[in-house]
Amino acid sequence: SQKIEQNSEALNIQEGKTATLTCNYTNYSPAYLQWYRQDPGRGPVFLLLIRENEKEKRKERLKVTFDTTLKQSLFHITASQPADSATYLCALDEDSWGKLQFGAGTQVVVTP
Amino acid sequence: DTAVSQTPKYLVTQMGNDKSIKCEQNLGHDTMYWYKQDSKKFLKIMFSYNNKELIINETVPNRFSPKSPDKAHLNLHINSLELGDSAVYFCASSHPSGAETDTQYFGPGTRLTVL
Repeated sequence: SQKIEQNSEALNIQEGKTATLTCNYTNYSPAYLQWYRQDPGRGPVFLLLIRENEKEKRKERLKVTFDTTLKQSLFHITASQPADSATYLCALDEDSWGKLQFGAGTQVVVTP
Repeated sequence: DTAVSQTPKYLVTQMGNDKSIKCEQNLGHDTMYWYKQDSKKFLKIMFSYNNKELIINETVPNRFSPKSPDKAHLNLHINSLELGDSAVYFCASSHPSGAETDTQYFGPGTRLTVL
């Protein structure tokens, strides 16, 4: 069966450090993978998309890697700030019709 | 403001009632979605419409019926509400399917509580 796994335990990190989140998947062959941020009481907000032929993507302090052999994506927040505290969701496309499957998300807590 | 909006934000109702949630997007997108996020925070797709045509219909009880009067609106009607329907329902929209960059834009969610 298809699975998307993200660390269920919250990641507590000190301000200024790098947070690294993992997204592992099985029985998918995604053309791309997306990362979203979700704050309490709000809808997910798109952050980054990385395609299967890309190894790495960056946007400001965010970096995503995609290893289709390991079936894994890593999401890094460098120089983390308390405002980065949120739940981060990875999502894979299941078909060409925009059908996304989401992981359960990892909560990140950045303390000053 | 350009966005995806949903009404109502909160909905509290009794078991057995029928209710509707409305969604509108002014982003000019052709594709709209309904997701359900349960208490364990899993976000699961329910339906997707492209230009008013149903293209994704997950295994959802047929008490749930989406309706798209035009490509900017996708409403969700739920009949005979059950306790297990309590969740947060999110509407989303994206550029035309198949464009690969299916970045989805989510609404603020509707928290449905069935008593």
